[in-house]
Amino acid sequence: AQSVTQLDSHVSVSEGTPVLLRCNYSSSYSPSLFWYVQHPNKGLQLLLKYTSAATLVKGINGFEAEFKKSETSFHLTKPSAHMSDAAEYFCVVRWDLGGKLIFGQGTELSVKP
Amino acid sequence: DTGVSQDPRHKITKRGQNVTFRCDPISEHNRLYWYRQTLGQGPEFLTYFQNEAQLEKSRLLSDRFSAERPKGSFSTLEIQRTEQGDSAMYLCASSLNSRDFETQYFGPGTRLLVL
Repeated sequence: AQSVTQLDSHVSVSEGTPVLLRCNYSSSYSPSLFWYVQHPNKGLQLLLKYTSAATLVKGINGFEAEFKKSETSFHLTKPSAHMSDAAEYFCVVRWDLGGKLIFGQGTELSVKP
Repeated sequence: DTGVSQDPRHKITKRGQNVTFRCDPISEHNRLYWYRQTLGQGPEFLTYFQNEAQLEKSRLLSDRFSAERPKGSFSTLEIQRTEQGDSAMYLCASSLNSRDFETQYFGPGTRLLVL
């Protein structure tokens, strides 16, 4: 079955340190991959998306993700965390053009001063 | 604001009552999606429309749920005979179908509490 797994339900970092949020997918072929962020009481916002043009994808607010087909991973990183990065992050896959999104369970990112 | 809007933002109802939610997509978007998100979980797909046609429904969408998009613009999601298990955030998203990998833009959601 096609699925997406976020390996950590909660990640805590200090402000100014790197962020790594891990995501693996299972599929017999390469899906479309996305990272969305959800701040408390706000809607889901797209951070970045993988469209097969480049394996390293840059998104908003300094985030980036690398698609690794051999590892079926799409981990999200940021070199230096900011307090405003504290939110819930979802790794998302889609297996057909224009179809439904399949969300991971989410990773809550906490940023300590 | 030209984003996706949803109304109401919050709804409290008693078990057994019917509720209806509305979603207004971004104006030029021809696809509209409904998702449900329960506490501590990621959103789960319910159904989607291309223009006025409902193209896919999840098994999560029981016969108490019905969605419409009569003129290919706004959509409504109705839940009949609500149950406590229906308590969740109901999210709407819209996108423009194109040859490129489309992006779904989400509204703020309608939070439903069934007492």
